Amino acid sequence: DSGVTQTPKHLITATGQRVTLRCSPRSGDLSVYWYQQSLDQGLQFLIQYYNGEERAKGNILERFSAQQFPDLHSELNLSSLELGDSALYFCASSVADRRNANTEAFFGQGTRLTVV
Amino acid sequence: GESVGLHLPTLSVQEGDNSIINCAYSNSASDYFIWYKQESGKGPQFIIDIRSNMDKRQGQRVTVLLNKTVKHLSLQIAATQPGDSAVYFCADSGGSYIPTFGRGTSLIVHP
Repeated sequence: DSGVTQTPKHLITATGQRVTLRCSPRSGDLSVYWYQQSLDQGLQFLIQYYNGEERAKGNILERFSAQQFPDLHSELNLSSLELGDSALYFCASSVADRRNANTEAFFGQGTRLTVV
Repeated sequence: GESVGLHLPTLSVQEGDNSIINCAYSNSASDYFIWYKQESGKGPQFIIDIRSNMDKRQGQRVTVLLNKTVKHLSLQIAATQPGDSAVYFCADSGGSYIPTFGRGTSLIVHP
C-alpha cells in the first residue's frame, strides 16, 4: 500500500459527460501529480500541484482541470469526454519541493475511466 | 520528444536467470533517476533510485547502474522470479521534480 488513495477505482460514462477523479496523497506529502496511461502507453504527466498551488503542467487538455484543496487532497476534472479519453488515471504524491527535488513519487492504484 | 526511453519493449527470461533492463535518457542535466515496477491493474511501485553522483546502487536483488557518459542506466534483477513479471519504467526526475516516464519494458518470467 503506497498510502495514496484514489477513488473511484472504475468509472464508466458516456461521451460528452464530465467526471471528477479524487486523490488523497500520503500523509505529509505536499506535491500531487496526475498522470494518464493509455493502453500500451507510458505514463503521461498531466499536472502537478504543490501545497494547493499549480506547479507544473504537462500534456493536459483544456477540457481537463485539477485543483488541490487545503486538506491537500486533489481532484482531476475531465469534461466533454471523448472515447479517446478512456485510460487509467494515476495520482502520485511526494515530499518534493524546490529544496528537495529529488525524491520518489508514490502512486495510487489508479482510476480506470471508460468512455462509451 | 521524451527525455527517457527504453531500448526493448519486451524481455523474456527463465526463472532464476538474471534480468537486465536498459534505459536511455537525453537530458544531460538530469540528476535523479527512478525505476518503477507496474504489475497488471496496479499503480507503479518504486523499486530503486539513483542520483547522478553515483554510478551504482544496490537494493534487495536489484542493482541500478548509471553511465552518465552515454546517458544510460540499467536495472539488474538477480535470480528473477515469476513475481518479477511486470512492466518496468525508468523515470527522470532531475531538477524539475516531475517524474517523466518512458514507455516501459515488459518483463516476462517463464517458470
